[in-house]
Amino acid sequence: DGGITQSPKYLFRKEGQNVTLSCEQNLNHDAMYWYRQDPGQGLRLIYYSQIVNDFQKGDIAEGYSVSREKKESFPLTVTSAQKNPTAFYLCASSTETANSPLHFGNGTRLTVT
Amino acid sequence: RKEVEQDPGPFNVPEGATVAFNCTYSNSASQSFFWYRQDCRKEPKLLMSVYSSGNEDGRFTAQLNRASQYISLLIRDSKLSDSATYLCVVNTNAGKSTFGDGTTLTVKP
Repeated sequence: DGGITQSPKYLFRKEGQNVTLSCEQNLNHDAMYWYRQDPGQGLRLIYYSQIVNDFQKGDIAEGYSVSREKKESFPLTVTSAQKNPTAFYLCASSTETANSPLHFGNGTRLTVT
Repeated sequence: RKEVEQDPGPFNVPEGATVAFNCTYSNSASQSFFWYRQDCRKEPKLLMSVYSSGNEDGRFTAQLNRASQYISLLIRDSKLSDSATYLCVVNTNAGKSTFGDGTTLTVKP
């Protein structure tokens, strides 16, 4: 079955450590996205990529980095520069047209202490 | 002002009730519109796209008013299983999706 896989589901880290969240899709979608969701709030865009080897900052990119070396993969690194990294992180993909809905992975819940 | 604003909620309704959610958007160049449903601690899932002529899917009806820049979602005959957070999503012609903060619905027996 086609879909988006995020791993791990839960992640715990100490403050000051970088951590990388995995996102893989086999939907053959060109565009991939990373969102962050805090309790009681909507989704905020961190980074997005519309094509391999290219990506753009979203609304809250500070303290995060991404790469897009393969169409299927769009890993997100949460660096120690991110002030409030504890959140629910969602990866999504789409067929990269303005009329395309997003397909989401089941998320990674990151806790930094 | 947020790009996409939704009714703050929460909405608490009895089973069988009809409930309506509204959403306004500020970017007049917005291209496409969607409603997503998100269950507690889960990922959002597409509920329905919203078309200019309005569209219906079973008990759910979505409408778009481009002149006033708002979209709506109507749920008829509410079920307990409809309890969730409903997210309004607006796409620009560049393919960027902007989410509202969501409206929480609780359907009670």
